[in-house]
Amino acid sequence: NAGVTQTPKFRILKIGQSMTLQCTQDMNHNYMYWYRQDPGMGLKLIYYSVGAGITDKGEVPNGYNVSRSTTEDFPLRLELAAPSQTSVYFCASSYSRGRAPEQYFGPGTRLTVT
Amino acid sequence: AQSVTQLDSQVPVFEEAPVELRCNYSSSVSVYLFWYVQYPNQGLQLLLKYLSGSTLVESINGFEAEFNKSQTSFHLRKPSVHISDTAEYFCAVSDRDDYKLSFGAGTTVTVRA
Repeated sequence: NAGVTQTPKFRILKIGQSMTLQCTQDMNHNYMYWYRQDPGMGLKLIYYSVGAGITDKGEVPNGYNVSRSTTEDFPLRLELAAPSQTSVYFCASSYSRGRAPEQYFGPGTRLTVT
Repeated sequence: AQSVTQLDSQVPVFEEAPVELRCNYSSSVSVYLFWYVQYPNQGLQLLLKYLSGSTLVESINGFEAEFNKSQTSFHLRKPSVHISDTAEYFCAVSDRDDYKLSFGAGTTVTVRA
């Protein structure tokens, strides 16, 4: 049982490039989330999904896109990378409402845009 | 969405001394409360949670937190810290009908010998 896995661990992008951050969970969780972590700011929710085919914006969605075609996978797409997107990105998952609400986090992807 | 305030950004403490990390949140509606710990260059791990019932909750490694509804607080304590407790600690809150978490800015605990 690997929990939540993320790839890559590290990435350096040039301004204007695009990339996809991968996230997979094997806990059969319906809910999945993407956060970014900036120093002294805690974690901010980018996008979330309550099930396959359903996604919604979080607090800081601009510059990102997501899709959820399966229960297990929740990739995050960065189009036209900007220096402001330099951050550590965490994927998380949880059961749906009515069950245990705690979220389980992946190890993170450290992204630098130069 | 909830607003979460962690009142201390940095807490230096000597080994075997007690530590308290303070957390306040904005709304008194029914909530779930969490403390997560992040060790250097790692993801977040759940330390403890309050869902319902007893207002005092404990972790397996000696931390405890107390839910105070009237003060909208969920402070974290440990009576005697170890070097291995050096980490960043995040308080998080979600409304009971919405599993999205709101996080505090984090408190960095540095334990010195």
